[in-house]
Amino acid sequence: AQRVTQPEKLLSVFKGAPVELKCNYSYSGSPELFWYVQYSRQRLQLLLRHISRESIKGFTADLNKGETSFHLKKPFAQEEDSAMYYCALRGYTGTASKLTFGTGTRLQVTL
Amino acid sequence: EAGVAQSPRYKIIEKRQSVAFWCNPISGHATLYWYQQILGQGPKLLIQFQNNGVVDDSQLPKDRFSAERLKGVDSTLKIQPAKLEDSAVYLCASSLDLGEQYEQYFGPGTRLTVT
Repeated sequence: AQRVTQPEKLLSVFKGAPVELKCNYSYSGSPELFWYVQYSRQRLQLLLRHISRESIKGFTADLNKGETSFHLKKPFAQEEDSAMYYCALRGYTGTASKLTFGTGTRLQVTL
Repeated sequence: EAGVAQSPRYKIIEKRQSVAFWCNPISGHATLYWYQQILGQGPKLLIQFQNNGVVDDSQLPKDRFSAERLKGVDSTLKIQPAKLEDSAVYLCASSLDLGEQYEQYFGPGTRLTVT
């Protein structure tokens, strides 16, 4: 079974402060991890994936297999970062794959 | 490029009634997904189509939910009869193909309230 845990429902930070959104996973195989974001009144969209090892909008995430974590980080939060963030894991059952999402963390950036 | 379209955007029904949701994926996308997102939870995959064939429907409550994608383009998700616990946002997504390199693009969702 595959499971994704996001322990915080709400994370409130001041503008310019560092951000870390936590994500832990459980999966017996080799995981593929993603972060999705949903801004107010917008659709759910992909933010980044671990295999790309890229920085998007200043966000980075490193897969730590030892700690089974994929935390999302940004050194300096901006107001426009306020959104709902979902961590997701792609797992395989036979040849079929599916995304399993965490419960999400709402990031609130205040002045 | 037009995104994934869904209708209706909102629906309120009484328990035991039937309801249907429609999804039009991005043109050329072979893979289509239906997710259920209950308030306070992340999206949960209900069914996945590749063209007009079902790839995975292991989490679809088949006693009351059904879905089809007859011509490999548009898709319909139906609930009959609805229960209170079916209140949720139903998201449709599409991707160019099945492989892990293909990004899923989500529609705006249909918010269903069962009273």
